[in-house]
Amino acid sequence: QKEVEQDPGPLSVPEGAIVSLNCTYSNSAFQYFMWYRQYSRKGPELLMYTYSSGNKEDGRFTAQVDKSSKYISLFIRDSQPSDSATYLCAMSKGSASKIIFGSGTRLSIRP
Amino acid sequence: GAVVSQHPSRVICKSGTSVKIECRSLDFQATTMFWYRQFPKQSLMLMATSNEGSKATYEQGVEKDKFLINHASLTLSTLTVTSAHPEDSSFYICSALPRDRRTDTQYFGPGTRLTVL
Repeated sequence: QKEVEQDPGPLSVPEGAIVSLNCTYSNSAFQYFMWYRQYSRKGPELLMYTYSSGNKEDGRFTAQVDKSSKYISLFIRDSQPSDSATYLCAMSKGSASKIIFGSGTRLSIRP
Repeated sequence: GAVVSQHPSRVICKSGTSVKIECRSLDFQATTMFWYRQFPKQSLMLMATSNEGSKATYEQGVEKDKFLINHASLTLSTLTVTSAHPEDSSFYICSALPRDRRTDTQYFGPGTRLTVL
């Protein structure tokens, strides 16, 4: 069993739709939870960073962490074609610890 | 913001040659840098953790004699792929953790695409 599970997609939604991406994990020691966006042939870009459980909102993006269920989510409101990318969930045990990545979900927003 | 650069962005080499990839933190010092490898349509896999002035720590299954890491300064880490073979072709990405811990997150470079013929 992988430490972090993420549906690879692809996920295709129309422009303006709400997108829901999620990951599950098995290691209860994870404390830091991140979402990265990666465009083709580029390095990952940090979108959201959350410590422990709870919600965090930044513009059109909302990250949720439910440690009791070992489940994290990323919601994108009013999705735009420019949001088309691969979204990677990631987590670590400590701030300076190695990051474990999910496999990534390929998202396509149709104009 | 914190910027990490990688050089080169793309390299093509013949089998058996060695290739050096540089990772630089441009506007901050980094005591710790990480090296990842990403195969097509797969996630990032940590190869090694590099600490300034000390030997790198390699993940299980990563050959330290094949992937040489040097972290000689607080702004530069290098990864050398020795005697490269076609199966080493991949996207190599570094990340850096700011020394001043302005945030607790790592900043990623843009990646280097290695193709071994």
